Amino acid sequence: GDQVKQSPSALSLQEGTNSALRCNFSIATTTVQWFLQNPRGSLMNLFYLVPGTKENGRLKSTFNSKESYSTLHIRDAQLEDSGTYFCAAEHTGNYKYVFGAGTRLKVIA
Amino acid sequence: DMKVTQMPRYLIKRMGENVLLECGQDMSHETMYWYRQDPGLGLQLIYISYDVDSNSEGDIPKGYRVSRKKREHFSLILDSAKTNQTSVYFCASSLDRAAETLYFGSGTRLTVL
Repeated sequence: GDQVKQSPSALSLQEGTNSALRCNFSIATTTVQWFLQNPRGSLMNLFYLVPGTKENGRLKSTFNSKESYSTLHIRDAQLEDSGTYFCAAEHTGNYKYVFGAGTRLKVIA
Repeated sequence: DMKVTQMPRYLIKRMGENVLLECGQDMSHETMYWYRQDPGLGLQLIYISYDVDSNSEGDIPKGYRVSRKKREHFSLILDSAKTNQTSVYFCASSLDRAAETLYFGSGTRLTVL
């Protein structure tokens, strides 16, 4: 089933605007990671999160373990932000990360 | 420079042939993973290795086996490949057994005809 559900599945953003991606979890998890897969297919780690919030440049991510969700906020979207964003939740206790199906983001000029 | 290296980048095999995918990392990470990525499904865990000769099945291990004889190398083997094993395969590593940041290789696109 959908242990890690991402929304939206696809998104088109005007350059310079803001948006939020979301992950909902139906498994017990204590850590979450966010990745960006670029158009060439490479996966880059954006955030490693325990419950709380982290910020890096135009990106900010929050993990709320009590309500079982995580968000990734993109501020002032740029063309190079285009790609597929994945969240992954560690299935508590076995160090195995379960991935969502991804959000395909396209930033347009 | 921390790196996870996968070979080959592209591979075409016929059904029934054996396939060997190689992965190396230069970070002395204990834990290594093999995932496959199919359209619309995200990444699915095939096997996890906690260290040399300490491997554990992931969510979709059927049809695959792994080998880890050195900490820096982790191999994925398909004995008698099937057409439904056509996919993009990613190797990843993390520092130790505790849940840590995953570092991914560039992937191997395998086509089984």
